[in-house]
Amino acid sequence: QSALTQPASVSGSPGQSITIACTGTSSDVGGYNYVSWFQQHPNKAPKLMIYDVTKRPSGVSNRFSGSKSGNTASLTISGLQAEDEADYYCCSYAGSGTLVFGGGTKLTVL
Amino acid sequence: QLQESGPGLVKPSETLSLACTVSGVSISSGDYYWGWIRQPPGKGLEWIGSINYSGTTFYNPSLKSRVAISVDMSKNQISLKQSSVTSADTAVYYCGRQFRGSAIYYMDVWGKGTTVSVSS
Repeated sequence: QSALTQPASVSGSPGQSITIACTGTSSDVGGYNYVSWFQQHPNKAPKLMIYDVTKRPSGVSNRFSGSKSGNTASLTISGLQAEDEADYYCCSYAGSGTLVFGGGTKLTVL
Repeated sequence: QLQESGPGLVKPSETLSLACTVSGVSISSGDYYWGWIRQPPGKGLEWIGSINYSGTTFYNPSLKSRVAISVDMSKNQISLKQSSVTSADTAVYYCGRQFRGSAIYYMDVWGKGTTVSVSS
């Protein structure tokens, strides 16, 4: 069970859209439609932003959306705002009741 | 809602023991799984394992030989024990509630986390 692959960093200007990719294998991301995304601000607990690839928990802005194609899941944030600056982690089901995280992506809002 | 507790310092080769006290919902309701996740300093998140009210557990294969998660419904707590710790186990440890999505359980409520350092 290896960690999912995410870019170390992405950046965008306020109002723009950015996409963070999360690449796994057919044993995790590609094998199941059970991908989630978490947002983590410094020294804070993570916050669930997306689950079941595309679903948003109650209270999460519709500026956040998720998708998946093959072994790669993606998180798109539209209309970037300063408060979106944070670390983002993908997480996938990997079979037999196990979960695997990505290495994390630092989003900078320029 | 969830509060982690335990020693902040553990000696190498010893066993790390943490508790997560749940408030506002009864673990025995059976509606959720409860999990542990850790984050080494400056690094990413790592899932440790999860448990439900009946004691069904799932563990990260890389930690399975050293980890045990249990539930104490009388205290409305879940516990984590991790044996033979090394400096690589130094991390912030989070407990969380996992709700059921379409088929698996996702962590939607987290504790604030507790820092555990492994050092002699």
